[in-house]
Amino acid sequence: AQSVTQLDSHVSVSEGTPVLLRCNYSSSYSPSLFWYVQHPNKGLQLLLKYTSAATLVKGINGFEAEFKKSETSFHLTKPSAHMSDAAEYFCVVTRISGYSTLTFGKGTMLLVSP
Amino acid sequence: KAGVTQTPRYLIKTRGQQVTLSCSPISGHRSVSWYQQTPGQGLQFLFEYFSETQRNKGNFPGRFSGRQFSNSRSEMNVSTLELGDSALYLCASSSSQGGSYNEQFFGPGTRLTVL
Repeated sequence: AQSVTQLDSHVSVSEGTPVLLRCNYSSSYSPSLFWYVQHPNKGLQLLLKYTSAATLVKGINGFEAEFKKSETSFHLTKPSAHMSDAAEYFCVVTRISGYSTLTFGKGTMLLVSP
Repeated sequence: KAGVTQTPRYLIKTRGQQVTLSCSPISGHRSVSWYQQTPGQGLQFLFEYFSETQRNKGNFPGRFSGRQFSNSRSEMNVSTLELGDSALYLCASSSSQGGSYNEQFFGPGTRLTVL
């Protein structure tokens, strides 16, 4: 069994300030973890993925996430927010090997003010 | 490579009708998954097809069905539409042949409104 909890439904930041979107997961298996972003009326785009190669994962558009097994967390960060980062972000867990479906968190809406 | 395409992009139906949505995966991808996205329930897995076979199914009533063709294109059908079926339906394709950590590529979705 697997589940994902995104700890904040909304996060508001000012342009140029750091972004932190929090995600905790639960999995009976060794997990593979993803962050996806969804802009209004668009599909989901993969930001980054953890598949056990390295605990600090760098993604597109300056985002990165760190896998912390002891804390069962996979928080998403960015040093400096841009207006174009305003979107909904989803944390996703699946098994790292063997067949499994994706389990999505409820999403975090990131609001960026000028 | 062209991305995942979904048609139509928008649909308006009335209660009791049925609807068919179409998804064309990225060329070479054999796995197609369908998701329902609503404000209240978030993203929920409907089913996945791989090589024309349903490989997994989420917890949805039998009114929701799907199929996959030999060219990997997939359709999902919802019969006897209810107001609660109003949602964004997302399709995703993957090259997965069992390694589930393979990235899923999402289409833009079909926005279904049931009146």
